[in-house]
Amino acid sequence: KQEVTQIPAALSVPEGENLVLNCSFTDSAIYNLQWFRQDPGKGLTSLLLIQSSQREQTSGRLNASLDKSSGRSTLYIAASQPGDSATYLCAVTITGGGNKLTFGTGTQLKVEL
Amino acid sequence: DGGITQSPKYLFRKEGQNVTLSCEQNLNHDAMYWYRQDPGQGLRLIYYSQIVNDFQKGDIAEGYSVSREKKESFPLTVTSAQKNPTAFYLCASSISGVVGTEAFFGQGTRLTVV
Repeated sequence: KQEVTQIPAALSVPEGENLVLNCSFTDSAIYNLQWFRQDPGKGLTSLLLIQSSQREQTSGRLNASLDKSSGRSTLYIAASQPGDSATYLCAVTITGGGNKLTFGTGTQLKVEL
Repeated sequence: DGGITQSPKYLFRKEGQNVTLSCEQNLNHDAMYWYRQDPGQGLRLIYYSQIVNDFQKGDIAEGYSVSREKKESFPLTVTSAQKNPTAFYLCASSISGVVGTEAFFGQGTRLTVV
């Protein structure tokens, strides 16, 4: 059974710092990996989608990498801002039926002034 | 604006009641999903539907039921058989038949048992 782990569970950094969030998964048979942002009491906003054949994706200050063979992905946030404070979730699309996602438990990020 | 609309935002259920959560999408997506989120846990799949008039159980389907009579709608009923229904419920959609496409989520419904 696919399991997704995110480390750390919580992170507090000063504004302007570059940071890395980690995601690991136990089964490398995935179609893609998706990073989401969730604000308190809100739904999920898709940040980046990396297909299994890709190594990385970039959007603005965000860069996500994927190493399928080792079961790891990282989300790099450059020059962090207080508005980046949120919970970041990674999820993998598993093989064997539809686009079902298996989620990690998330990293709660706080960027302080 | 294209997107997924969940209603209501907050819902309160008495013991023994059935309640229905609404999910509507105008993205023309074939596939729709219901997830449950509890504090400190990742999202867990309740039910999913790849096409109209067809749906499958996810990992935690007990105590829930769904229907998919229209492409744009995928309501979730939380029945009295669900013993611990207090949670945040999220609906999602994606293009079906093309594995590995992006999933989009609604803003969620918070259900509380009173």
